[in-house]
Amino acid sequence: SSELTQDPAVSVALGQTVRITCQGDSLRTYYASWYQQKPGQAPVLVIYGKNNRPSGIPDRFSGSSSGNTASLTITGAQAEDEADYYCNSRDSNGNYLVFGGGTKLTVL
Amino acid sequence: QVQLQESGPGLVKPSETLSLTCPVSGYSISSGYYWAWIRQPPGKGLEWIGSISHSGSTYYNPSLKSRVTISVDTSNNQFSLKLDSVTAADTAVYYCARWVAKQQLVEYFDLWGRGTLVIVSS
Repeated sequence: SSELTQDPAVSVALGQTVRITCQGDSLRTYYASWYQQKPGQAPVLVIYGKNNRPSGIPDRFSGSSSGNTASLTITGAQAEDEADYYCNSRDSNGNYLVFGGGTKLTVL
Repeated sequence: QVQLQESGPGLVKPSETLSLTCPVSGYSISSGYYWAWIRQPPGKGLEWIGSISHSGSTYYNPSLKSRVTISVDTSNNQFSLKLDSVTAADTAVYYCARWVAKQQLVEYFDLWGRGTLVIVSS
């Protein structure tokens, strides 16, 4: 089992807003990073730090954190956002890296 | 443009050693950053295997630590993964990635290779 917990699946209507969450004790200390993975492709970094987007990531992607929960928000979801999303941070003792189990996002 | 690309055998026999390399182009490994291996069993999530600094300091997933060796070869600008005594459970897509840990409490994998599928089977 992962020390970072994500909902296995989330759905959103086209153009609406969706929040994908990641829970874990380490998130009280460390920021999460978020990755988008489409079928047959390598993961792509979409959010890191407090709320930073790498170059080329649309501004409809944003990140936030409160207590032991980190969130990835997509404002105005597009069909191309349908993918698996993974959070990443440290274990609860801060000793090694872990990924959440992933959330499959369906855009309806 | 920095690029990473995994290379190695796609088929390994049970009990043998899985060996992969990740040549890096567009950036000198010895200049900094950390370098990492991550894997993904078919249909499952991502698992961090371990990371290595440009100077050779290593960090391993405790669940794999007894079987894993990650090394860096600055002369060839690449880093490598060795996983001993493999079983079918080690069948996965293996990714190499650059791990950024320059700012306290802010860490992330900003660049990834395309991944290579390694099947463990006799």
